[in-house]
Amino acid sequence: GAGVSQSPRYKVAKRGQDVALRCDPISGHVSLFWYQQALGQGPEFLTYFQNEAQLDKSGLPSDRFFAERPEGSVSTLKIQRTQQEDSAVYLCASSSIGRAYGYTFGSGTRLTVV
Amino acid sequence: QKEVEQNSGPLSVPEGAIASLNCTYSDRGSQSFFWYRQYSGKSPELIMFIYSNGDKEDGRFTAQLNKASQYVSLLIRDSQPSDSATYLCAVPNAGGTSYGKLTFGQGTILTVHP
Repeated sequence: GAGVSQSPRYKVAKRGQDVALRCDPISGHVSLFWYQQALGQGPEFLTYFQNEAQLDKSGLPSDRFFAERPEGSVSTLKIQRTQQEDSAVYLCASSSIGRAYGYTFGSGTRLTVV
Repeated sequence: QKEVEQNSGPLSVPEGAIASLNCTYSDRGSQSFFWYRQYSGKSPELIMFIYSNGDKEDGRFTAQLNKASQYVSLLIRDSQPSDSATYLCAVPNAGGTSYGKLTFGQGTILTVHP
């Protein structure tokens, strides 16, 4: 596709439910990033993939958060036992080169935990 | 101290005025600095980046960098209502990463009123 595609666009989850958020990057983009953006805040880094390798997961807030990119293209961010503080927009970005000015952001998934 | 800090605003300016947005950063080793614009409900969009001390102009936008003071700013001349958005300052690879991880400030909300 022409851009980074994220689905679903909106997700409402009951507290304690597991959710899976999908990111389909631009074809051929090696680098893939996940960010979390709480209301009124800037995006915060969660994790980074280079192809299928997860090279940095230092931003994942707890062991309830898990990300994968098994074939080096589509990535899934999974959140187990969702809590209210997980409510945020989850942004995915991909880049063909390992530098920040090559980023293309997806439209994000807005997660609301009730 | 947060790695990247911005005046959260909101900042309100009349149409045609100059809007001045400020950002400070803590990592003296940072080499480049980005300004993103984010419309409500949309993903961030890169509008300017700067590497060298001094000014960089692009149309109505001017980025200013002072590495000695660890300060970067964005000036928007002849502000238009369509400039109303949140402006995010971002620093790539703060803390010594090399693959393009971005550290964002909390964003400044700009409103340009007719």
